[in-house]
Amino acid sequence: AQSVTQPDIHITVSEGASLELRCNYSYGATPYLFWYVQSPGQGLQLLLKYFSGDTLVQGIKGFEAEFKRSQSSFNLRKPSVHWSDAAEYFCAVGPSSGSARQLTFGSGTQLTVLP
Amino acid sequence: GAGVSQSPSNKVTEKGKDVELRCDPISGHTALYWYRQSLGQGLEFLIYFQGNSAPDKSGLPSDRFSAERTGGSVSTLTIQRTQQEDSAVYLCASSSGGAYNEQFFGPGTRLTVL
Repeated sequence: AQSVTQPDIHITVSEGASLELRCNYSYGATPYLFWYVQSPGQGLQLLLKYFSGDTLVQGIKGFEAEFKRSQSSFNLRKPSVHWSDAAEYFCAVGPSSGSARQLTFGSGTQLTVLP
Repeated sequence: GAGVSQSPSNKVTEKGKDVELRCDPISGHTALYWYRQSLGQGLEFLIYFQGNSAPDKSGLPSDRFSAERTGGSVSTLTIQRTQQEDSAVYLCASSSGGAYNEQFFGPGTRLTVL
């Protein structure tokens, strides 16, 4: 069964500092990988996705993520955090084949940004 | 609207009552998903509809939960005889059903069972 682990429940960074949110997955084949962000009271917004090809993917709001097959990781990064980035971030894995199409989500990482 | 919409945004009910949650997917999207987000938890898959195929109900936690999708568009999630542990945010998502399966989420319905 596929699974996603986000080891950091809560991360605090200062505005302007760099950010890395960790995500590890377990899946039998190459999965499709996603990062979503959820602001308070909002639904989930897709930040970026990896399907194939270049292992460094760019997303919205200045975020990027790197797929590392050898480490089963898909960590999210941003070089300079803005106060508006404070939110909860979810990593998700989806099947690249088969009839089951639902995403499996990690438990999320809450990001606090200090002024 | 261009996005996924859900109603109501908030629902407070008494234990033992039935509730219905509605989801309007993006027009033209053939796939529709329901997830549940409990406090401090990630998202838990509930049910998946794809076109006219039989739904994947493998995530429904009990037989008190059911969902239908009428005309391949609007979906209703029904919870019968609600329990306090059903309190959560229920999120709906839709996708084009293609190979890449990018899912677009609605704002959710926050259900509180007293």
